Amino acid sequence: SQTIHQWPATLVQPVGSPLSLECTVEGTSNPNLYWYRQAAGRGLQLLFYSVGIGQISSEVPQNLSASRPQDRQFILSSKKLLLSDSGFYLCAWRAQGARHQPQHFGDGTRLSIL
Amino acid sequence: AQKVTQAQTEISVVEKEDVTLDCVYETRDTTYYLFWYKQPPSGELVFLIRRNSFDEQNEISGRYSWNFQKSTSSFNFTITASQVVDSAVYFCALSEAGGNTPLVFGKGTRLSVIA
Repeated sequence: SQTIHQWPATLVQPVGSPLSLECTVEGTSNPNLYWYRQAAGRGLQLLFYSVGIGQISSEVPQNLSASRPQDRQFILSSKKLLLSDSGFYLCAWRAQGARHQPQHFGDGTRLSIL
Repeated sequence: AQKVTQAQTEISVVEKEDVTLDCVYETRDTTYYLFWYKQPPSGELVFLIRRNSFDEQNEISGRYSWNFQKSTSSFNFTITASQVVDSAVYFCALSEAGGNTPLVFGKGTRLSVIA
């Protein structure tokens, strides 16, 4: 069966520090991968999605970036964190081309910027 | 453009009451898929159900039921005899044309079930 792993679960970072959040999927190949952010009490904001290695679509301009160095690995990064980057970050995957399938989400990372 | 509207931002009910969460969608596709997710306080999003646009049969799973009506572009979710464990944020989502674009999510409805 397929599983998605996201780490760390919680992270506290100072303003201006770099960020790297990692997400990996097991049990499937060539998945579509997604990064979402959820501010406290708010809805899901799609940040990036990828349909293949090295292919990244950015939905919201900001100081975050994403990379997909391997088929089942999706990384969210920042060179300098802002206070507004605080939130709950969720990674998700979905089978390639499978519009009838749901997206499956990781457990998320709670990021606090001090 | 595809759009999902969950007009109810927050709902509060007393345990054992029935509650319906509304979802209205917009799409130009003739074939599409609708989904409901539950996000408990722990944060993970849990997939609950998928509905095809060509199947309007309502579905029941235990205390949960879903009413899909193409005529009103709605896909409502009812919890019967609500329990405290049902307290969560519930998201409705729509699958766009093409299998590689992300789901379109509503903004979610926060349900609080009070003992």
